[in-house]
Amino acid sequence: NAGVTQTPKFQVLKTGQSMTLQCAQDMNHEYMSWYRQDPGMGLRLIHYSVGAGITDQGEVPNGYNVSRSTTEDFPLRLLSAAPSQTSVYFCASSLFFRSGGAKNEQFFGPGTRLTVL
Amino acid sequence: GEDVEQSLFLSVREGDSSVINCTYTDSSSTYLYWYKQEPGAGLQLLTYIFSNMDMKQDQRLTVLLNKKDKHLSLRIADTQTGDSAIYFCAERDNNDMRFGAGTRLTVKP
Repeated sequence: NAGVTQTPKFQVLKTGQSMTLQCAQDMNHEYMSWYRQDPGMGLRLIHYSVGAGITDQGEVPNGYNVSRSTTEDFPLRLLSAAPSQTSVYFCASSLFFRSGGAKNEQFFGPGTRLTVL
Repeated sequence: GEDVEQSLFLSVREGDSSVINCTYTDSSSTYLYWYKQEPGAGLQLLTYIFSNMDMKQDQRLTVLLNKKDKHLSLRIADTQTGDSAIYFCAERDNNDMRFGAGTRLTVKP
C-alpha cells in the first residue's frame, strides 16, 4: 500500500491564481480530511469527508473547496489564492470515527508546502 | 472552540528522559493521541490512550492521563538524537479531532 499520497510537494502561486492540491489513499478509508499547519498553531481542520459524495466544513474552510467523487481521492481547491493561504497542507485518512470503536488512527500524507506571493 | 495546549520547546541531553506535557479542555474526548513529526514529513502516530485509562506504556514511551485535571503527558525514556522532532498532542471526540501547536524536542549529544 502507498498509504496517503499528496501532490505536489511544493507549489508557489501568485495572488489570485487557482490550483488543486491532490490527495489519494489506497486503504479504503471512509474518512478523509485536509489540515493546514502554521507555525505555533498546530493543525487546523479545513474540510473533511465521511465518504464519497459527502463533505463538510472544518474549523477554517473559507477560501477552499473540496469534493469527494470516489473513496480514494479528496482534492482541495483554492479558487483565488491569497498570501494568508501560505502554509503546509496535510491530507489524512482513517476508518470512520465511531464512538467507542477502535482507535481509528489517522494516516497523514507527506504534506504540500504552498507559498502565495 | 476547545483548545489543546502544549509548551513549544523542550531540550534534553541524550540518555535523559523527556517529558512533554499537554492540557486539553473537552471532557468528552474519547481518545488522546501523541503524534511525531520529523522535518519535512507528515505526522506519524506514536501512541494513543483511551480516556478510561490512566497510563499506557509502549517500550520507551509512557503516556500518563489525569482526566480530572485534563492533563496528558508523554515520557520518552533514554532519549536519543533520533527522537528530535515535533510532538503533537491531539484529542478526539467522534469526528472532531483537535491538535495542539506541537512541542519541538531537541536532543543534545
